[in-house]
Amino acid sequence: SAVISQKPSRDICQRGTSLTIQCQVDSQVTMMFWYRQQPGQSLTLIATANQGSEATYESGFVIDKFPISRPNLTFSTLTVSNMSPEDSSIYLCSVLTGGQETQYFGPGTRLLVL
Amino acid sequence: QKEVEQNSGPLSVPEGAIASLNCTYSDRGSQSFFWYRQYSGKSPELIMFIYSNGDKEDGRFTAQLNKASQYVSLLIRDSQPSDSATYLCAVKGGDSSYKLIFGSGTRLLVRP
Repeated sequence: SAVISQKPSRDICQRGTSLTIQCQVDSQVTMMFWYRQQPGQSLTLIATANQGSEATYESGFVIDKFPISRPNLTFSTLTVSNMSPEDSSIYLCSVLTGGQETQYFGPGTRLLVL
Repeated sequence: QKEVEQNSGPLSVPEGAIASLNCTYSDRGSQSFFWYRQYSGKSPELIMFIYSNGDKEDGRFTAQLNKASQYVSLLIRDSQPSDSATYLCAVKGGDSSYKLIFGSGTRLLVRP
């Protein structure tokens, strides 16, 4: 499986600010995804990060709030914009490698919004 | 709306026992099924996946799939305290996307 890293690993932010989370993979992957895991909850897919084009967002998530970039096959960013305390969550990127259907997760970014 | 249901637990078993974790799903067209383990404060780790009806064994883990009943389970034999974690069931639908829908997870406690 691919080795996935995320930066930052955790952060504490003030409401109204924005945070950009980076996801780096050690090899080229076919697909990258961003998930949110709110406290005590399971994982919810935010969007699929598409290389070279706009991300595909799930119902309830919009580009203005969660802009995503994927400039190449090994890197993606998720920005959480105009944050409120309700955005306090773990944000996880996952990847799908070629020829497989299994998703592997990065270590996550723990965000607390005050 | 496609759903994946799990009992939140906690499921408490003694060390050495068999732990049985269950999951039901609503989308009859679902094709692929995954079990992830998540330790507290960590990200999910893939344990097993299963595509076909029946059993699939990997070491102490056995995944069981029954598509007619829309039911998938994970058995952990000879449970160890280190198996204590939340186990997430995830389902990939029958459409062409690779989206996974996750259950809420079952918390497993293995008592020494």
